[in-house]
Amino acid sequence: GQQLNQSPQSMFIQEGEDVSMNCTSSSIFNTWLWYKQDPGEGPVLLIALYKAGELTSNGRLTAQFGITRKDSFLNISASIPSDVGIYFCAGRNSGYSTLTFGKGTMLLVSP
Amino acid sequence: SAVISQKPSRDICQRGTSLTIQCQVDSQVTMMFWYRQQPGQSLTLIATANQGSEATYESGFVIDKFPISRPNLTFSTLTVSNMSPEDSSIYLCSAISDLNTEAFFGQGTRLTVV
Repeated sequence: GQQLNQSPQSMFIQEGEDVSMNCTSSSIFNTWLWYKQDPGEGPVLLIALYKAGELTSNGRLTAQFGITRKDSFLNISASIPSDVGIYFCAGRNSGYSTLTFGKGTMLLVSP
Repeated sequence: SAVISQKPSRDICQRGTSLTIQCQVDSQVTMMFWYRQQPGQSLTLIATANQGSEATYESGFVIDKFPISRPNLTFSTLTVSNMSPEDSSIYLCSAISDLNTEAFFGQGTRLTVV
């Protein structure tokens, strides 16, 4: 089956720093999603991307759908302590297919 | 947006027993899913819960081990049968309201098998 390689596996940064994480796939996806999971909670959708090359922002978060449709990145600017959590990328082939998730990036932010 | 409630939120169970997890959505949804998230790992799809018919299982998951029900458009259950310590995991219910929206998740059920 399809696999998503997400990196880095974890990051420990200082408050105020910018963060970047990315996902690559061995095959094409038509939709890329980024979720955040807080401890003890389920994942929450942050950003959805539907077109190759699309760049979308949600507050301090910016994500891009790679032109090759095999990759996506998520940037967080000016990180704050509440950004702590696990960030997952997910890809989907079509509107009716299921999601494939990356292994997650654990983000720790030091005040 | 719709909200998913999962019960129980956590449980500690004896090996060989079974646990049924309930997933209730506060509005009708098109599709419902069950995921497993092993400690420190990603989300793995167990099955798609189909209303009024048998669930569609992913490779590596079988109905005898993970029976699923979906009697209506807002409710589903997942049973983890004949549990072993390897079944210790977080089980997540997910749903899609309609085919133009993205999946949202319940808070998960943290299962520990001893």
